[in-house]
Amino acid sequence: GQNIDQPTEMTATEGAIVQINCTYQTSGFNGLFWYQQHAGEAPTFLSYNVLDGLEEKGRFSSFLSRSKGYSYLLLKELQMKDSASYLCAVRVHILTGGGNKLTFGTGTQLKVEL
Amino acid sequence: IAGITQAPTSQILAAGRRMTLRCTQDMRHNAMYWYRQDLGLGLRLIHYSNTAGTTGKGEVPDGYSVSRANTDDFPLTLASAVPSQTSVYFCASSETSGSEYEQFFGPGTRLTVL
Repeated sequence: GQNIDQPTEMTATEGAIVQINCTYQTSGFNGLFWYQQHAGEAPTFLSYNVLDGLEEKGRFSSFLSRSKGYSYLLLKELQMKDSASYLCAVRVHILTGGGNKLTFGTGTQLKVEL
Repeated sequence: IAGITQAPTSQILAAGRRMTLRCTQDMRHNAMYWYRQDLGLGLRLIHYSNTAGTTGKGEVPDGYSVSRANTDDFPLTLASAVPSQTSVYFCASSETSGSEYEQFFGPGTRLTVL
């Protein structure tokens, strides 16, 4: 099975930088995703890593270390609208029947304060 | 472009009743998924389909069934609803080729079983 851990909640100040960590234990690893979910809304895709290293997309960056089973999402120049839940998800191969599936962590609730 | 639509938006259902949650996508994605999201448990995969005509069981399939008669539609049926099926249900779809092929989520159905 898969085990994904991320902090339950974090608080940061507007304009600051925050790092949300995610650790995982899985077999058949085929990529790691970060999603953002505002309260009452659907998750939306933020970033994807399949190789070790840093992927940057504007104010958001995501890092992956496959050997350590570790990823982080870095949010820069925080804005109030960044207050949301951030979901770490690991994609694995489906052994029977083929294809892939995502297993999600329980999410990190980020609160951005003035 | 609608993306993924789900119906109904919300529903209150008596225990023991049969209920079908509808999901339609217009992106011609091969793969589709059903998740439930519960506080403290995150998103959990119920059933998935890699392509029209095939389905598979996810992490929490008991009490649910799905069908995939065509590419666009992926209904989820609760044959006899129980209170523990009270949850927010998200449908998602994705490509099955390429590297990222992130999942796109519908707006969700909030289901309450009394």
